Amino acid sequence: GAGVSQSPSNKVTEKGKDVELRCDPISGHTALYWYRQSLGQGLEFLIYFQGNSAPDKSGLPSDRFSAERTGGSVSTLTIQRTQQEDSAVYLCASSLGALNTGELFFGEGSRLTVL
Amino acid sequence: AQSVTQLDSQVPVFEEAPVELRCNYSSSVSVYLFWYVQYPNQGLQLLLKYLSGSTLVKGINGFEAEFNKSQTSFHLRKPSVHISDTAEYFCAVSGMNSGYSTLTFGKGTMLLVSP
Repeated sequence: GAGVSQSPSNKVTEKGKDVELRCDPISGHTALYWYRQSLGQGLEFLIYFQGNSAPDKSGLPSDRFSAERTGGSVSTLTIQRTQQEDSAVYLCASSLGALNTGELFFGEGSRLTVL
Repeated sequence: AQSVTQLDSQVPVFEEAPVELRCNYSSSVSVYLFWYVQYPNQGLQLLLKYLSGSTLVKGINGFEAEFNKSQTSFHLRKPSVHISDTAEYFCAVSGMNSGYSTLTFGKGTMLLVSP
């Protein structure tokens, strides 16, 4: 597609349930990033993929969070046993390669609300 | 590790007035610097970036920023703002210690332009 696509755009779930958030990057972009945006907290880095591998997953806040990327394209961020503090907008971005050659292209985000 | 401080969470300004959004970074290694803008209900998009060379960088929509290594700053400026510039602005840094592969964002500055 023309841009980074994320789904669902909005997700409301009950505490304790698992959720999956999907990101479809720009075709040909090898790098993929997940960030979390909470009110007043800016963007918090979660994980970075180069191809299908994740050289940097240092930002995942707990072992309830996991992400995978298959075929060097679509990525899924999974949150298990959701908690209210997981409520945020989850942003996905992609880039052609290393940041010194380009920029991040962001999707519009998946807004997660945990009741 | 690097970090970014955006000193103002909100900047109100009248239309056609000049504006400066402040950004300071902390890093012990060489960095690349970015400003992103997020319009309401949209994803982030790149305004401008500093990689090397001239310390004055010009971006889209009439914005510019100046890299000041001695003050570790990268302030964003526009000589005359429009109502349509109302958005949240994020400063970001990428450092050599991460292989320039990930961006660390500040908490954002909300620019509110009124008539």
